[in-house]
Amino acid sequence: QLQLQESGPGLVKPSETLSLTCTVSGGSISSNPYYWGWVRRPPGKGLEWIGSFHYTGSSYYNPSLRSRVTISIDTSKNQFSLKLRSVTVADTAVYYCARPRGRNSASFAFDIWGRGTKVTVSS
Amino acid sequence: DIQMTQSPSSLSASVGDRVTITCRANQGISNFLAWYQQKPGKVPELLIYGASTLQSGVPSRFSGSGSGTDFTLTISSLQPEDVATYYCQKYNSAPLTFGGGTKVEIK
Repeated sequence: QLQLQESGPGLVKPSETLSLTCTVSGGSISSNPYYWGWVRRPPGKGLEWIGSFHYTGSSYYNPSLRSRVTISIDTSKNQFSLKLRSVTVADTAVYYCARPRGRNSASFAFDIWGRGTKVTVSS
Repeated sequence: DIQMTQSPSSLSASVGDRVTITCRANQGISNFLAWYQQKPGKVPELLIYGASTLQSGVPSRFSGSGSGTDFTLTISSLQPEDVATYYCQKYNSAPLTFGGGTKVEIK
């Protein structure tokens, strides 16, 4: 059974870069050609899709975040990562990594989620 | 980009009531619509995909319908464990936008 687990700093200072990693267990990222995704939920607000990334390098990002976001994959570590630059307090949220139901397309719902990691942006 | 509008934003109903949540896209998305349930402090869980297909393990009191721009999530008989926030998401193409959410409480 594939499982996802987010990790990274729980506190980031304004203007710095938020960096999170999602470790995939129970299967190899390189043999599972999905558009691995990141979703966040700010406090008191709803879910927001951040972006999705395929190991071939194909990616899709939320237009509202595109200028600040990079998602990448490290197949040797079976991980994919999120970097969000120039953060502000508005980027405070629980961040989830997720896997869609189907392979090789971003046009699938997310059926496997990590447990989420809380990131606070504060000086 | 396509916007997803959910209504109501919150509702309170009694155990056993039939509950309906709607989600509207401002452009057609065929049946590329999913519903998620997020209980307080928990991870979002996929309930329905393809607008009407129940994810494995989801109780049959949940159902989805619709196509194009108008979609509905129905809980046929509300249970205490259904207290949660429900989100729709369109996934026909990026951006994979979520609706604003509907918070369901027990009266």
